[in-house]
Amino acid sequence: DTGVSQDPRHKITKRGQNVTFRCDPISEHNRLYWYRQTLGQGPEFLTYFQNEAQLEKSRLLSDRFSAERPKGSFSTLEIQRTEQGDSAMYLCASMRAEGTGGYTFGSGTRLTVV
Amino acid sequence: SQQGEEDPQALSIQEGENATMNCSYKTSINNLQWYRQNSGRGLVHLILIRSNEREKHSGRLRVTLDTSKKSSSLLITASRAADTASYFCATDAALNPSMDSNYQLIWGAGTKLIIKP
Repeated sequence: DTGVSQDPRHKITKRGQNVTFRCDPISEHNRLYWYRQTLGQGPEFLTYFQNEAQLEKSRLLSDRFSAERPKGSFSTLEIQRTEQGDSAMYLCASMRAEGTGGYTFGSGTRLTVV
Repeated sequence: SQQGEEDPQALSIQEGENATMNCSYKTSINNLQWYRQNSGRGLVHLILIRSNEREKHSGRLRVTLDTSKKSSSLLITASRAADTASYFCATDAALNPSMDSNYQLIWGAGTKLIIKP
């Protein structure tokens, strides 16, 4: 297990289509986070899981966004009816529940909505 | 909501010089973390400093924390071209009912560092 994996690395989709991203965290990490980042900005929190439970969801997340972590391992983030404003880098991070260290981030999925 | 503000927004120095970046924040924190991000890539955790610590070192990195001023600095000594990246501070806020969340880091917009060879 070499770190947090995200798939795909890049996604180009037409406006109105649905997209799904996957994140595989470090196996012993209980906490999993999704962030969104636009150019020149820091990450914006989207949602957070502890094991399979979704404990936090940002007000930024509209009803078109949904995330799951069904078995407490990998997670998926789905965006329905994509809009051009959804274009961004979507970052996944994991950490131990004890929170003694920093987050480990994946390389991200860059979404472009055309 | 973004709590951290990095200063400067951009910094360009010669290889071998020291680079200093600053971060200010607004609320009480449990810890403050610095991350590095190469263009188009994910973030890499550099160092974490707890609210009861004042200074921490890791290789060529030195981080200070002044909780009275709600500020932190990241010093990179003897910079190298490979240090070129964006650097972000993120705060792990103390339990605070007025915050949107008690489980997330709050990020600044970053300092873009360019090391000229």
